[in-house]
Amino acid sequence: DAGVTQSPTHLIKTRGQQVTLRCSPKSGHDTVSWYQQALGQGPQFIFQYYEEEERQRGNFPDRFSGHQFPNYSSELNVNALLLGDSALYLCASSLVGTGTRETQYFGPGTRLLVL
Amino acid sequence: AQTVTQSQPEMSVQEAETVTLSCTYDTSENNYYLFWYKQPPSRQMILVIRQEAYKQQNATENRFSVNFQKAAKSFSLKISDSQLGDTAMYFCAFMKHFGNEKLTFGTGTRLTIIP
Repeated sequence: DAGVTQSPTHLIKTRGQQVTLRCSPKSGHDTVSWYQQALGQGPQFIFQYYEEEERQRGNFPDRFSGHQFPNYSSELNVNALLLGDSALYLCASSLVGTGTRETQYFGPGTRLLVL
Repeated sequence: AQTVTQSQPEMSVQEAETVTLSCTYDTSENNYYLFWYKQPPSRQMILVIRQEAYKQQNATENRFSVNFQKAAKSFSLKISDSQLGDTAMYFCAFMKHFGNEKLTFGTGTRLTIIP
């Protein structure tokens, strides 16, 4: 049973550039959530995708955008990168519904460094 | 809005001893889930244990158990017979019950198991 996978594992960009991070959910899951984890802090919710649409969004600017594909995989795009965007980006997948299916399972993350 | 507070930034304990990590939360919701996630140096967020707020019985998973006090809005994690592999950051997280909601995390507790 394949777990959540993310690519790339590490990425170095310069200010003003754009970046795309990718996530494949756990087998059988249909919902993908993205989180930003700054060094020494807990993860912060960016947004969630279900049925190829953004269902809810955290307090992040429009520079952060996403997409979900028919196979449930997802991309996170960040435009006009700032130094403060340096963080670990975590993807989590789950299954819509109530009960244990809503538990979110995380991928290994992508470490983004903006210089 | 929900908030999660972990008041112990760091803890250490001898191998084989028992340790308890604290978590408090604030919410106006009546139905919700609470989670403990573990993040080792490999950085992948791993689910440790989950508690449904409507269940009075405390959840247990092998050496891990929780003390859930709904009225006090307290959710502590007890690790028995601690092992070196338990060394990690531990995050407490909250999620509303319906609609496959986002996770709200605390700031984490860094736990070190001393051989």
